[in-house]
Amino acid sequence: EAGVTQFPSHSVIEKGQTVTLRCDPISGHDNLYWYRRVMGKEIKFLLHFVKESKQDESGMPNNRFLAERTGGTYSTLKVQPAELEDSGVYFCASSSGRSSPLHFGNGTRLTVT
Amino acid sequence: AQSVTQLGSHVSVSEGALVLLRCNYSSSVPPYLFWYVQYPNQGLQLLLKYTTGATLVKGINGFEAEFKKSETSFHLTKPSAHMSDAAEYFCAVSKTSYDKVIFGPGTSLSVIP
Repeated sequence: EAGVTQFPSHSVIEKGQTVTLRCDPISGHDNLYWYRRVMGKEIKFLLHFVKESKQDESGMPNNRFLAERTGGTYSTLKVQPAELEDSGVYFCASSSGRSSPLHFGNGTRLTVT
Repeated sequence: AQSVTQLGSHVSVSEGALVLLRCNYSSSVPPYLFWYVQYPNQGLQLLLKYTTGATLVKGINGFEAEFKKSETSFHLTKPSAHMSDAAEYFCAVSKTSYDKVIFGPGTSLSVIP
């Protein structure tokens, strides 16, 4: 089966610009998660979708971040406007549900200059 | 709240030597415990997980971990290190098998020939 796909793999933008990250989960996986790792720090949970609904968005840092999951398939994470502290690697993961492990994508490395 | 600590941000071992990566957790409920590995320029890959039952868990690539409730530990071991084991290893905890995963800070493993 195809794995979790994220793109772009790298993105370099200037402070104040907008960036949209995309995640395509494994087909049939209802659960989709976003995480990020800021340089030198821990991998932090951002939010969890079950199908198209936000199950838990307690990790979203502020209202500059907007996540959507259209039709319960792919998900986007938009950062608008981007700030320097948003730089890091953004990971997406999906799972089919109970007792199913998380499958991670390779991440998007975001650099805000 | 759940949290994870990993002793040693960097560990170096000789090829063929024992690998021991330490993980301690805190959790108000019986935890689900995981070890993930990240190879350079790749996503996170599940090495092994503990849910219930046998406290010694075997994973991929010859790794295993033992859940010790009294010590709140879940240390990762491998009897003989290979060069290909060089990567970053993350211990993680969650409340259920599909809940958000809380990651430790990671341990970077170097294998010296």
